[in-house]
Amino acid sequence: GQQLNQSPQSMFIQEGEDVSMNCTSSSIFNTWLWYKQDPGEGPVLLIALYKAGELTSNGRLTAQFGITRKDSFLNISASIPSDVGIYFCAGFSTGANNLFFGTGTRLTVIP
Amino acid sequence: GAVVSQHPSRVICKSGTSVKIECRSLDFQATTMFWYRQFPKQSLMLMATSNEGSKATYEQGVEKDKFLINHASLTLSTLTVTSAHPEDSSFYICSARSQGWDEQFFGPGTRLTVL
Repeated sequence: GQQLNQSPQSMFIQEGEDVSMNCTSSSIFNTWLWYKQDPGEGPVLLIALYKAGELTSNGRLTAQFGITRKDSFLNISASIPSDVGIYFCAGFSTGANNLFFGTGTRLTVIP
Repeated sequence: GAVVSQHPSRVICKSGTSVKIECRSLDFQATTMFWYRQFPKQSLMLMATSNEGSKATYEQGVEKDKFLINHASLTLSTLTVTSAHPEDSSFYICSARSQGWDEQFFGPGTRLTVL
């Protein structure tokens, strides 16, 4: 099946710092989604991207759909303690009916 | 975003019993629902996909006779873990999507512990 590689696997940052994580796929994706999962909860959709080159923001979060359609980036500016959690990229490839998920980036914000 | 609920949020059962988990879309019609399993510190693993009124499509390695999925209405899907064993202990999460949507919305998950 499709493979989504997400990096880094984990990050420890100081409150106020900016964060960047990315996701690459082995094939072309038509849609990229970024989710955040808190412990013991289901993933919550943060940002959806629909076309190559698209740059979308949601508050302090900014995500981009890579030009090659095989990658996506998520940036978090001025991190705060509640940003702690696991961030997953996910996407739909052509003809697929279900999402493929990345391996996740575990973010820890140190106050 | 659209809201998906799951019930129960946590269940503990004895080995050999069956457990049913419900997934409901509260404010939209879920033409497709998905069931995932997540082990600690791992990503979500898709178990099966179900379209309303049709039989579920199971991923390779997932036993359809053990994990019974019913998607009889546009707002409800159920996952029944039959004859549960300790190795079935996991976090089960459903998600739902409406026709024409690219986004999938997730339920809060169900923590299953089999003793």
